[in-house]
Amino acid sequence: KAGVTQTPRYLIKTRGQQVTLSCSPISGHRSVSWYQQTPGQGLQFLFEYFSETQRNKGNFPGRFSGRQFSNSRSEMNVSTLELGDSALYLCASSLGEPSSGNTIYFGEGSWLTVV
Amino acid sequence: AQSVSQHNHHVILSEAASLELGCNYSYGGTVNLFWYVQYPGQHLQLLLKYFSGDPLVKGIKGFEAEFIKSKFSFNLRKPSVQWSDTAEYFCAGSGGYNKLIFGAGTRLAVHP
Repeated sequence: KAGVTQTPRYLIKTRGQQVTLSCSPISGHRSVSWYQQTPGQGLQFLFEYFSETQRNKGNFPGRFSGRQFSNSRSEMNVSTLELGDSALYLCASSLGEPSSGNTIYFGEGSWLTVV
Repeated sequence: AQSVSQHNHHVILSEAASLELGCNYSYGGTVNLFWYVQYPGQHLQLLLKYFSGDPLVKGIKGFEAEFIKSKFSFNLRKPSVQWSDTAEYFCAGSGGYNKLIFGAGTRLAVHP
């Protein structure tokens, strides 16, 4: 079956612009989460959605937002881009919670460069 | 606060050498721990996971990890590494729902 699909894979934006990243989870998965990966900070949790509701949120400024649609697809948006937002943004999906034995699967990520 | 730490940031080994990557966690309650691997240019893949029961967990590609509660550790091991094991390895703990708290990662380079 198809894995977690993220689009676009690569993009370059200018400071001050906004960006929207898209994620299609594995079919049947209702949980979608987002992570930011940078060389300096590593992998940091942004937020998680389950059935269109945000269940958990990381320590990122309000410029970072997300949403989930009824078909479980998710988008994240970053407004007023800063140079420090340059990163690999990873989407992950899961059938349920790890405590119930479920595995969290990751997509290949969207590489964002802010210039 | 919940945290996961990895001791080694860079490890260089020769093929056939044994591997042990350290991971310590700091949080209470139910402990769910994971090791993920990121091969160059590829997405994160789950190597193994611990939920409860047998503290020695076996994963894919010959990897195993041991959960030692008294030491708050979940170290990853492989008896004999191959060049194809060159990758970055991440230890992670569950932070509630589907949130994962990752360690900083360990870059492993295996030389033929």
